[in-house]
Amino acid sequence: GDSVTQMEGPVTLSEEAFLTINCTYTATGYPSLFWYVQYPGEGLQLLLKATKADDKGSNKGFEATYRKETTSFHLEKGSVQVSDSAVYFCALSDFRAAGNKLTFGGGTRVLVKP
Amino acid sequence: EPEVTQTPSHQVTQMGQEVILRCVPISNHLYFYWYRQILGQKVEFLVSFYNNEISEKSEIFDDQFSVERPDGSNFTLKIRSTKLEDSAMYFCASSLGQGQETQYFGPGTRLLVL
Repeated sequence: GDSVTQMEGPVTLSEEAFLTINCTYTATGYPSLFWYVQYPGEGLQLLLKATKADDKGSNKGFEATYRKETTSFHLEKGSVQVSDSAVYFCALSDFRAAGNKLTFGGGTRVLVKP
Repeated sequence: EPEVTQTPSHQVTQMGQEVILRCVPISNHLYFYWYRQILGQKVEFLVSFYNNEISEKSEIFDDQFSVERPDGSNFTLKIRSTKLEDSAMYFCASSLGQGQETQYFGPGTRLLVL
């Protein structure tokens, strides 16, 4: 079945550092790819998405490019802030499958220190 | 901005008891989902629901689980006889359509089974 693997955390950074969170996937169909973020005490929020190969999703300074050749969707941000401290989840959904379920990676906790 | 709400935020119950978790999806959304996250583990899909029917369910969603949309606004998850291993954070989500449509998540209900 479909699966998502992302780097384990926690990732601890200083403010203004560069952030990369690796995400790779396995899917038999034609997945859309997502990054969700969970701030402390809150639910999952969509951060960005990409629906086909070579698409780049971006939001709030975060970017991720759908790489079909490497089955990857790595999340990057050039200069993190303390407010970016959260848990980040990579996920996929195969829109050709019934039910539209999301398959999540294990989540990566990011802590940004001032 | 419209949001998905869930009640209660926390619930403690005794093993063998029935629990009902409640969700109010975004009002014009048509697709509804339940996910759960056992502490320290991945977010897992439970069930998707459309047009008053289950579209897809996971292996986790056995006969102890049921979902219902009792009126035009609520979407509920019932666990008939809770087990210790049902302790988890339960997330409700909704989307306008399927396929590449974004799923919007609620803040979750933390269920503890003693």
